Amino acid sequence: NAGVTQTPKFQVLKTGQSMTLQCAQDMNHEYMSWYRQDPGMGLRLIHYSVGAGITDQGEVPNGYNVSRSTTEDFPLRLLSAAPSQTSVYFCASSYVSGRDEQFFGPGTRLTVL
Amino acid sequence: RKEVEQDPGPFNVPEGATVAFNCTYSNSASQSFFWYRQDCRKEPKLLMSVYSSGNEDGRFTAQLNRASQYISLLIRDSKLSDSATYLCVVNDGTDKLIFGTGTRLQVFP
Repeated sequence: NAGVTQTPKFQVLKTGQSMTLQCAQDMNHEYMSWYRQDPGMGLRLIHYSVGAGITDQGEVPNGYNVSRSTTEDFPLRLLSAAPSQTSVYFCASSYVSGRDEQFFGPGTRLTVL
Repeated sequence: RKEVEQDPGPFNVPEGATVAFNCTYSNSASQSFFWYRQDCRKEPKLLMSVYSSGNEDGRFTAQLNRASQYISLLIRDSKLSDSATYLCVVNDGTDKLIFGTGTRLQVFP
């Protein structure tokens, strides 16, 4: 099992550009989520999904879109990148809910200039 | 007030020492409690869940005090490999998790 994979590992964008961060898991987990981690702050939930076709907003959803067309994939789209979106992004999955053990991907380090 | 508060540290301890971290949470509806470990520039990984009666996993002991709304983690006989950031994680009364900013531990020879 590869677990949770994320691509790319690093990305530099210019303000206004859009991009998609990819996340996939091969553990047949129902629950998937995206977090961002900034210095001096805990991980903050951006969006989450409790199963294919179902997504919902977390604490900091503005500027991001998600979709969940399959159980395995949960891409995060940045619509128009801003410097405030410079961060480390982690995708996570768990068996059923947010209260189960979360398995994190290795992260994507994004810089917006 | 932050929903989950931790002392950021760093805690610098010699090998073999016992070290304890505390974490306080503000939501009395929280029901699920965890400690995650995060190595530098890596993803968080579950260290242990925290149960009401307290629980132990080898050198690690976690305790929960619901009345005072705090969680603790005790590490005995510290190893160099224990050097990491320890994240206190609590659910918000629903399925969403709230992460603390972490406590950094540095174990020296």
